[in-house]
Amino acid sequence: RKEVEQDPGPFNVPEGATVAFNCTYSNSASQSFFWYRQDCRKEPKLLMSVYSSGNEDGRFTAQLNRASQYISLLIRDSKLSDSATYLCVVNIRGQGGKLIFGQGTELSVKP
Amino acid sequence: DAGVTQSPTHLIKTRGQQVTLRCSPKSGHDTVSWYQQALGQGPQFIFQYYEEEERQRGNFPDRFSGHQFPNYSSELNVNALLLGDSALYLCASSLDWQGNSPLHFGNGTRLTVT
Repeated sequence: RKEVEQDPGPFNVPEGATVAFNCTYSNSASQSFFWYRQDCRKEPKLLMSVYSSGNEDGRFTAQLNRASQYISLLIRDSKLSDSATYLCVVNIRGQGGKLIFGQGTELSVKP
Repeated sequence: DAGVTQSPTHLIKTRGQQVTLRCSPKSGHDTVSWYQQALGQGPQFIFQYYEEEERQRGNFPDRFSGHQFPNYSSELNVNALLLGDSALYLCASSLDWQGNSPLHFGNGTRLTVT
């Protein structure tokens, strides 16, 4: 079983749609959680950290359910520029700065 | 403020050869990590360097080795290249080695092994 698993993609949505990505992690010692965004053939960039109480940044909302070991990302009012691959990322307690990435979910927003 | 810089951007090598990739961290960062990203996959952690020592290592063979210099820059060396080593190699820097601050990635080095 992979340590971090994401919804298989790609997700093809029209502009203005709301889209949700799901991610599960297997290690209960996971302590920090992130969503990164990666544009085609570019480096990953931090989109947002995920906090236990849930957090929002503009059109983006992240949720964490520690009991279910589940993380989600909601994008409201999708823009063409949101088209990218979204990576769910976890850091394990005791493993320093090692980040474990999911395989990514590709989002394509169409006009 | 320069971000993370990597060189070269692209590289083509033959099976069995050796390769060295280079990385300069973002200004102010002292921790460098290396990741391998195969096509269609998420990045996989290779190792992390802090204070010129390897602090964490992922599930990669000894053919993968690294070094960090006093100016915090880093090298990734891969010996006896295999076709399966073809990937995007990403360097990331951060303010601490314990995972408490976000990673900043470089543009990567795309390695092709033929």
